[in-house]
Amino acid sequence: AQKVTQAQTEISVVEKEDVTLDCVYETRDTTYYLFWYKQPPSGELVFLIRRNSFDEQNEISGRYSWNFQKSTSSFNFTITASQVVDSAVYFCALSEAGGSEKLVFGKGTKLTVNP
Amino acid sequence: DTEVTQTPKHLVMGMTNKKSLKCEQHMGHRAMYWYKQKAKKPPELMFVYSYEKLSINESVPSRFSPECPNSSLLNLHLHALQPEDSALYLCASSQGWGGEETQYFGPGTRLLVL
Repeated sequence: AQKVTQAQTEISVVEKEDVTLDCVYETRDTTYYLFWYKQPPSGELVFLIRRNSFDEQNEISGRYSWNFQKSTSSFNFTITASQVVDSAVYFCALSEAGGSEKLVFGKGTKLTVNP
Repeated sequence: DTEVTQTPKHLVMGMTNKKSLKCEQHMGHRAMYWYKQKAKKPPELMFVYSYEKLSINESVPSRFSPECPNSSLLNLHLHALQPEDSALYLCASSQGWGGEETQYFGPGTRLLVL
């Protein structure tokens, strides 16, 4: 069965600090997809990135970067030079191509960026 | 454009009321979803519609009744709810139904059952 673990429940940083959100996953499928979503206080889940299991290339988008390592089953998310607007709950999620195909979420990490 | 809209934004209802939540997307997506999210928890899947047909019902109580009138519209009819049903209800859509699909979420409806 698939599982996503986000061990950090809450993180608090000061603006301009770098912060890494950890995500560890479990799956028996060889083809799977990993996602990160951001949920600000308003409630909407905002899609950030999707990665398939065959693409281990790290990705950078502005201040955001993602480090996918199959060897450790991790898909970590780093925010560089954090800003107050980055304050939100961040969810890592996993879906399998051949399994249930449902999106399985981690419990989320609440990030607070203080001015 | 990856917009999913939901109405109403907030809803307060009594346990004997009947109400409906509405979700709409105009991205040509053929899969639509309802999720329930309690405070400080991740979203929980309730229903999946694929090509306007109910594909998945996650053993949701019958007081929640989904409906997909067309490929752009998804409703959730509520009847005789309990206070524990108070939550954020999120709608999502994706191009198709499958593990590789990215789900795009709406802003949600915050429901309070008194």
